[in-house]
Amino acid sequence: KNEVEQSPQNLTAQEGEFITINCSYSVGISALHWLQQHPGGGIVSLFMLSSGKKKHGRLIATINIQEKHSSLHITASHPRDSAVYICAVARGSQGNLIFGKGTKLSVKP
Amino acid sequence: DAGVIQSPRHEVTEMGQEVTLRCKPISGHDYLFWYRQTMMRGLELLIYFNNNVPIDDSGMPEDRFSAKMPNASFSTLKIQPSEPRDSAVYFCASKDSGNSPLHFGNGTRLTVT
Repeated sequence: KNEVEQSPQNLTAQEGEFITINCSYSVGISALHWLQQHPGGGIVSLFMLSSGKKKHGRLIATINIQEKHSSLHITASHPRDSAVYICAVARGSQGNLIFGKGTKLSVKP
Repeated sequence: DAGVIQSPRHEVTEMGQEVTLRCKPISGHDYLFWYRQTMMRGLELLIYFNNNVPIDDSGMPEDRFSAKMPNASFSTLKIQPSEPRDSAVYFCASKDSGNSPLHFGNGTRLTVT
Protein backbone atom coordinates (compact mmCIF):
# COMPACT_ATOMS: atom_id res chain seq x y z
CA LYS A 1 0.00 0.00 0.00
CA ASN A 2 1.32 3.43 -0.92
CA GLU A 3 2.03 5.75 1.97
CA VAL A 4 0.23 8.59 0.16
CA GLU A 5 -3.00 7.85 -1.68
CA GLN A 6 -4.87 10.33 -3.84
CA SER A 7 -8.36 10.15 -5.24
CA PRO A 8 -9.61 10.33 -7.80
CA GLN A 9 -6.83 9.47 -10.25
CA ASN A 10 -8.61 11.29 -13.05
CA LEU A 11 -11.28 13.94 -12.89
CA THR A 12 -13.21 15.68 -15.64
CA ALA A 13 -15.34 18.69 -14.76
CA GLN A 14 -17.33 21.36 -16.51
CA GLU A 15 -16.22 24.95 -16.20
CA GLY A 16 -17.66 26.51 -13.06
CA GLU A 17 -17.94 23.30 -11.07
CA PHE A 18 -16.64 22.91 -7.51
CA ILE A 19 -13.83 20.37 -7.42
CA THR A 20 -12.44 18.30 -4.57
CA ILE A 21 -9.29 16.19 -4.65
CA ASN A 22 -8.50 13.99 -1.69
CA CYS A 23 -5.26 12.82 -0.14
CA SER A 24 -4.81 10.23 2.59
CA TYR A 25 -1.53 9.26 4.18
CA SER A 26 -0.44 6.55 6.56
CA VAL A 27 2.72 7.98 8.14
CA GLY A 28 3.52 10.68 10.65
CA ILE A 29 4.23 13.95 8.92
CA SER A 30 5.61 17.38 9.63
CA ALA A 31 3.79 19.05 6.74
CA LEU A 32 1.69 18.31 3.67
CA HIS A 33 2.21 19.93 0.29
CA TRP A 34 -0.12 20.38 -2.66
CA LEU A 35 1.66 20.78 -5.99
CA GLN A 36 0.38 21.60 -9.46
CA GLN A 37 1.99 20.23 -12.61
CA HIS A 38 0.89 21.70 -15.91
CA PRO A 39 0.99 19.86 -19.23
CA GLY A 40 4.27 21.59 -20.02
CA GLY A 41 5.75 19.75 -17.06
CA GLY A 42 6.63 22.52 -14.63
CA ILE A 43 5.75 21.98 -10.97
CA VAL A 44 4.44 24.75 -8.77
CA SER A 45 3.91 24.60 -5.03
CA LEU A 46 0.33 25.60 -4.19
CA PHE A 47 0.16 25.04 -0.44
CA MET A 48 2.18 23.78 2.44
CA LEU A 49 0.18 23.12 5.59
CA SER A 50 0.49 21.31 8.86
CA SER A 51 -2.92 22.11 10.35
CA GLY A 52 -6.24 23.69 9.57
CA LYS A 53 -6.98 25.40 6.33
CA LYS A 54 -5.36 27.71 3.79
CA LYS A 55 -6.91 29.70 0.97
CA HIS A 56 -5.37 31.30 -2.08
CA GLY A 57 -7.74 32.76 -4.60
CA ARG A 58 -10.09 30.01 -5.75
CA LEU A 59 -8.02 27.28 -4.12
CA ILE A 60 -8.59 25.98 -0.62
CA ALA A 61 -6.56 23.30 1.16
CA THR A 62 -7.56 21.61 4.40
CA ILE A 63 -5.89 19.04 6.56
CA ASN A 64 -7.12 16.82 9.38
CA ILE A 65 -4.09 15.53 11.24
CA GLN A 66 -6.05 13.07 13.37
CA GLU A 67 -7.65 11.46 10.33
CA LYS A 68 -4.48 11.77 8.22
CA HIS A 69 -6.43 13.33 5.40
CA SER A 70 -6.21 16.45 3.30
CA SER A 71 -8.42 17.93 0.60
CA LEU A 72 -7.79 20.42 -2.16
CA HIS A 73 -10.82 22.35 -3.34
CA ILE A 74 -11.15 24.49 -6.44
CA THR A 75 -14.14 26.81 -6.59
CA ALA A 76 -15.56 28.08 -9.91
CA SER A 77 -13.22 25.85 -11.90
CA HIS A 78 -11.77 27.08 -15.18
CA PRO A 79 -10.09 25.31 -18.11
CA ARG A 80 -6.77 26.84 -17.06
CA ASP A 81 -7.03 24.78 -13.85
CA SER A 82 -6.47 21.67 -15.99
CA ALA A 83 -3.32 20.07 -14.61
CA VAL A 84 -2.06 17.23 -12.45
CA TYR A 85 -2.41 17.93 -8.74
CA ILE A 86 0.05 16.13 -6.51
CA CYS A 87 -0.13 15.63 -2.77
CA ALA A 88 3.17 15.14 -0.94
CA VAL A 89 3.96 14.63 2.73
CA ALA A 90 7.11 15.66 4.53
CA ARG A 91 8.44 13.10 6.99
CA GLY A 92 11.38 14.95 8.37
CA SER A 93 12.09 18.50 9.26
CA GLN A 94 12.80 19.76 5.81
CA GLY A 95 12.49 18.07 2.55
CA ASN A 96 12.17 14.34 2.38
CA LEU A 97 8.83 14.28 0.57
CA ILE A 98 6.75 11.22 -0.25
CA PHE A 99 4.51 11.87 -3.23
CA GLY A 100 1.09 10.67 -4.23
CA LYS A 101 0.59 9.52 -7.81
CA GLY A 102 -1.32 12.68 -8.68
CA THR A 103 -4.83 13.53 -9.83
CA LYS A 104 -5.23 14.54 -13.44
CA LEU A 105 -7.87 17.25 -13.69
CA SER A 106 -9.45 18.31 -16.95
CA VAL A 107 -11.88 21.22 -16.91
CA LYS A 108 -14.03 21.51 -20.05
CA PRO A 109 -15.34 24.88 -21.25
CA ASP B 1 14.53 36.07 -9.11
CA ALA B 2 14.97 33.72 -12.08
CA GLY B 3 13.85 30.73 -10.08
CA VAL B 4 15.54 27.34 -10.07
CA ILE B 5 17.40 26.85 -13.34
CA GLN B 6 18.03 23.44 -14.80
CA SER B 7 19.99 22.46 -17.87
CA PRO B 8 19.65 20.98 -20.33
CA ARG B 9 15.85 20.90 -20.81
CA HIS B 10 16.13 17.79 -22.94
CA GLU B 11 18.87 15.22 -23.23
CA VAL B 12 18.94 12.28 -25.59
CA THR B 13 21.85 9.90 -25.27
CA GLU B 14 22.84 6.36 -26.04
CA MET B 15 23.10 3.63 -23.49
CA GLY B 16 26.49 3.58 -21.84
CA GLN B 17 27.16 7.28 -22.18
CA GLU B 18 27.74 9.61 -19.26
CA VAL B 19 24.99 12.14 -18.57
CA THR B 20 25.34 15.25 -16.44
CA LEU B 21 22.35 17.28 -15.33
CA ARG B 22 22.82 20.72 -13.86
CA CYS B 23 20.93 22.86 -11.39
CA LYS B 24 21.24 26.39 -10.09
CA PRO B 25 19.07 26.91 -6.99
CA ILE B 26 17.46 30.16 -5.96
CA SER B 27 20.01 32.43 -4.31
CA GLY B 28 19.82 32.21 -0.54
CA HIS B 29 18.15 28.81 -0.46
CA ASP B 30 20.12 26.37 1.62
CA TYR B 31 18.28 23.17 0.69
CA LEU B 32 18.55 21.53 -2.72
CA PHE B 33 16.70 18.43 -3.86
CA TRP B 34 16.96 16.14 -6.86
CA TYR B 35 13.79 14.26 -7.86
CA ARG B 36 13.01 11.82 -10.64
CA GLN B 37 9.58 11.46 -12.24
CA THR B 38 8.43 8.45 -14.27
CA MET B 39 5.02 7.31 -15.38
CA MET B 40 5.29 4.14 -13.35
CA ARG B 41 6.65 5.49 -10.08
CA GLY B 42 5.68 9.16 -10.09
CA LEU B 43 7.99 11.58 -8.27
CA GLU B 44 10.75 10.17 -6.10
CA LEU B 45 13.43 11.88 -4.05
CA LEU B 46 16.92 10.92 -5.15
CA ILE B 47 19.08 13.04 -2.85
CA TYR B 48 19.01 16.31 -0.97
CA PHE B 49 21.64 18.73 0.29
CA ASN B 50 21.66 21.20 3.15
CA ASN B 51 24.30 23.93 2.97
CA ASN B 52 26.02 21.97 0.18
CA VAL B 53 26.30 18.80 2.28
CA PRO B 54 24.44 15.65 1.16
CA ILE B 55 21.95 14.75 3.88
CA ASP B 56 19.97 11.85 2.47
CA ASP B 57 20.99 9.91 -0.63
CA SER B 58 18.94 6.81 0.10
CA GLY B 59 16.88 7.42 -3.01
CA MET B 60 19.83 7.21 -5.37
CA PRO B 61 19.08 4.04 -7.33
CA GLU B 62 22.58 2.63 -7.61
CA ASP B 63 26.25 3.47 -7.89
CA ARG B 64 25.81 4.68 -11.44
CA PHE B 65 24.19 7.80 -9.97
CA SER B 66 26.16 10.49 -8.19
CA ALA B 67 25.39 14.05 -7.15
CA LYS B 68 27.57 16.91 -6.06
CA MET B 69 27.09 20.42 -4.78
CA PRO B 70 30.47 22.15 -4.93
CA ASN B 71 29.01 25.50 -3.87
CA ALA B 72 25.74 27.13 -2.87
CA SER B 73 24.80 28.06 -6.42
CA PHE B 74 25.41 24.87 -8.36
CA SER B 75 24.67 21.15 -8.25
CA THR B 76 25.10 18.28 -10.68
CA LEU B 77 23.51 14.89 -11.02
CA LYS B 78 25.60 12.45 -13.00
CA ILE B 79 24.68 9.06 -14.43
CA GLN B 80 27.54 6.89 -15.63
CA PRO B 81 26.95 4.68 -17.51
CA SER B 82 23.40 5.54 -18.50
CA GLU B 83 20.79 2.87 -19.20
CA PRO B 84 17.40 3.02 -20.97
CA ARG B 85 15.60 2.57 -17.61
CA ASP B 86 17.08 5.89 -16.49
CA SER B 87 14.79 7.66 -18.97
CA ALA B 88 12.68 10.05 -16.91
CA VAL B 89 12.21 13.70 -16.07
CA TYR B 90 14.67 14.88 -13.45
CA PHE B 91 13.66 17.84 -11.30
CA CYS B 92 15.77 20.00 -9.09
CA ALA B 93 14.12 22.01 -6.32
CA SER B 94 15.32 24.36 -3.61
CA LYS B 95 13.96 25.96 -0.45
CA ASP B 96 15.17 28.05 2.42
CA SER B 97 15.17 27.00 6.05
CA GLY B 98 12.04 26.79 8.08
CA ASN B 99 8.45 26.42 7.08
CA SER B 100 8.74 27.37 3.43
CA PRO B 101 7.62 25.83 0.15
CA LEU B 102 9.71 24.09 -2.47
CA HIS B 103 10.60 25.84 -5.70
CA PHE B 104 11.02 23.52 -8.65
CA GLY B 105 13.03 23.90 -11.80
CA ASN B 106 11.46 23.09 -15.16
CA GLY B 107 13.06 19.68 -15.23
CA THR B 108 15.37 17.82 -17.61
CA ARG B 109 13.73 15.20 -19.80
CA LEU B 110 16.28 12.43 -20.25
CA THR B 111 15.93 9.78 -22.93
CA VAL B 112 18.45 6.97 -23.04
CA THR B 113 18.26 4.84 -26.19
